[in-house]
Amino acid sequence: EAQVTQNPRYLITVTGKKLTVTCSQNMNHEYMSWYRQDPGLGLRQIYYSMNVEVTDKGDVPEGYKVSRKEKRNFPLILESPSPNQTSLYFCASSARTSGRGYQETQYFGPGTRLLVL
Amino acid sequence: AQSVSQHNHHVILSEAASLELGCNYSYGGTVNLFWYVQYPGQHLQLLLKYFSGDPLVKGIKGFEAEFIKSKFSFNLRKPSVQWSDTAEYFCAVTPQTGANNLFFGTGTRLTVIP
Repeated sequence: EAQVTQNPRYLITVTGKKLTVTCSQNMNHEYMSWYRQDPGLGLRQIYYSMNVEVTDKGDVPEGYKVSRKEKRNFPLILESPSPNQTSLYFCASSARTSGRGYQETQYFGPGTRLLVL
Repeated sequence: AQSVSQHNHHVILSEAASLELGCNYSYGGTVNLFWYVQYPGQHLQLLLKYFSGDPLVKGIKGFEAEFIKSKFSFNLRKPSVQWSDTAEYFCAVTPQTGANNLFFGTGTRLTVIP
């Protein structure tokens, strides 16, 4: 079954304690992306990756890191989490864009709810 | 900076009522447009998308959207909603040239009363 998986689904941590949220897709997609969803703000893109070893900032990259060492995985790293990073995080993937802007359907993971105390 | 506006934050309808959710974007160039739906407790799923051609796009579950370039709008419609359409709806935009970001609106929560 084609899917995007995220782990963990729920996480409570304390300020400053490094954490990683994993994301994996089994569709051989080139494009992967991380979003955070906050009430009244919708989804905001954190980072995206066009392919292995190619990453770029989205709208709200501060406080986050990503890596893309393999095509299927795109972990989100919070080196020193702060309470304002409490949010619902979604990973998404899609096939390669056609060169006329992003066009392909994004497939979203189930979300990771993070609480930073 | 680009932005996507969804002015209706929460819409409440009775079953069989018609639905129209507004979406406006600010970007001077050519764009690709999407509507995503998020059912309670679930992840986002694509409803429909528009890249070019006929500005009236039909999606899944009876939804459609019309792209009006002069108004920078991409409103979502459904002639008769069902209780199962209760969800949050997000409009998203990406420019056809340049960045590969996808910009989402803040979402519209739809509640359908049986």
